[in-house]
Amino acid sequence: KNEVEQSPQNLTAQEGEFITINCSYSVGISALHWLQQHPGGGIVSLFMLSSGKKKHGRLIATINIQEKHSSLHITASHPRDSAVYICAANNNDMRFGAGTRLTVKP
Amino acid sequence: DSGVTQTPKHLITATGQRVTLRCSPRSGDLSVYWYQQSLDQGLQFLIQYYNGEERAKGNILERFSAQQFPDLHSELNLSSLELGDSALYFCASRDFYFGYTFGSGTRLTVV
Repeated sequence: KNEVEQSPQNLTAQEGEFITINCSYSVGISALHWLQQHPGGGIVSLFMLSSGKKKHGRLIATINIQEKHSSLHITASHPRDSAVYICAANNNDMRFGAGTRLTVKP
Repeated sequence: DSGVTQTPKHLITATGQRVTLRCSPRSGDLSVYWYQQSLDQGLQFLIQYYNGEERAKGNILERFSAQQFPDLHSELNLSSLELGDSALYFCASRDFYFGYTFGSGTRLTVV
């Protein structure tokens, strides 16, 4: 079993839909990261969380430390949100989930 | 441009060879992290340097080594290359306020 599990692996949505990507981890962490990887390969760090909730534009990330679970939500999804979303558990090193490939159709 | 510069962008080399990947962190960032992303293993943390010193080590093979120089740029050396080393290699730097910033990666193909 991987230390960081993401679901779903693949997700297809219609433009405007509310999207949720889940991440569960089994290791102790100092922070949980959400990353976005575009089709061209570039990686952008979206959020770094150690507790509670963070919001940036249409993106919201939450974490429940007791349950070792985090979610990434996208409101009013848009085709430009199509990417792979990766969560990563950070302590002394980073353990990555396998990623969720999101496709948003117009 | 994220501010983290990686060179080269693409590299094709033969098995058994040695290559050096280079990374310059964002201006002012003291840390450099190296990651490998392969099709079968996904993203894996390799090694971290902070202000010239090794801070943390992940799944880095003995054939791989890294260092961070006084000007804070870092090099990842991969030797005795195997087909399975073909991957995207990313570096990132970290700032207390901005978190992680990733470079655009070096795509290594071993033939």
